Amino acid sequence: AQTVTQSQPEMSVQEAETVTLSCTYDTSENNYYLFWYKQPPSRQMILVIRQEAYKQQNATENRFSVNFQKAAKSFSLKISDSQLGDTAMYFCAFMKHGNTGTASKLTFGTGTRLQVTL
Amino acid sequence: EAQVTQNPRYLITVTGKKLTVTCSQNMNHEYMSWYRQDPGLGLRQIYYSMNVEVTDKGDVPEGYKVSRKEKRNFPLILESPSPNQTSLYFCASRRQSSYNEQFFGPGTRLTVL
Repeated sequence: AQTVTQSQPEMSVQEAETVTLSCTYDTSENNYYLFWYKQPPSRQMILVIRQEAYKQQNATENRFSVNFQKAAKSFSLKISDSQLGDTAMYFCAFMKHGNTGTASKLTFGTGTRLQVTL
Repeated sequence: EAQVTQNPRYLITVTGKKLTVTCSQNMNHEYMSWYRQDPGLGLRQIYYSMNVEVTDKGDVPEGYKVSRKEKRNFPLILESPSPNQTSLYFCASRRQSSYNEQFFGPGTRLTVL
């Protein structure tokens, strides 16, 4: 079974600064997908960024980028130029590759609550 | 607009009173699932469905039922709710051939007294 660990329950960053959220995972799979989801106070789950394990290049989406270290099973999220709207709970998630039901399941970490301050 | 809808968004009920939370998607997705979110535990999968009439248990299925009679709908049924089922529930769907993203509904906040 896969596990996802987010060891930072809460973090704070000042507006315009950079912050990195940590995520580690445990799996015996070789092909899989990793995601970061944002959950603002509205509770909506919003996909921030995704990474395919077979791709060595780190994914980037505007101000959001990841540091994917497959051997270390680490998948951190870096938010540059933080904005007040980035205040949210952030979840790291894992999904196996494949078309079975169990492969389609997202396994989530416990989340990191990020507060962006003025 | 492509979306997953859930109803109701908020529900307060009492122990033992059967309830159904509906989930519907308009993207013709094969795969649908239910998650519950609890503080300190993240989201955990309750049930999933690979297609019509194909459902299976996730990690925390006890106390829940589902059905998939139509491709677009995947209701979550609590036959006899208990206080430990007080939670935030999410329905999600994705195309079986796509690994890019699961689309989430807006969530249903359930309180069982």
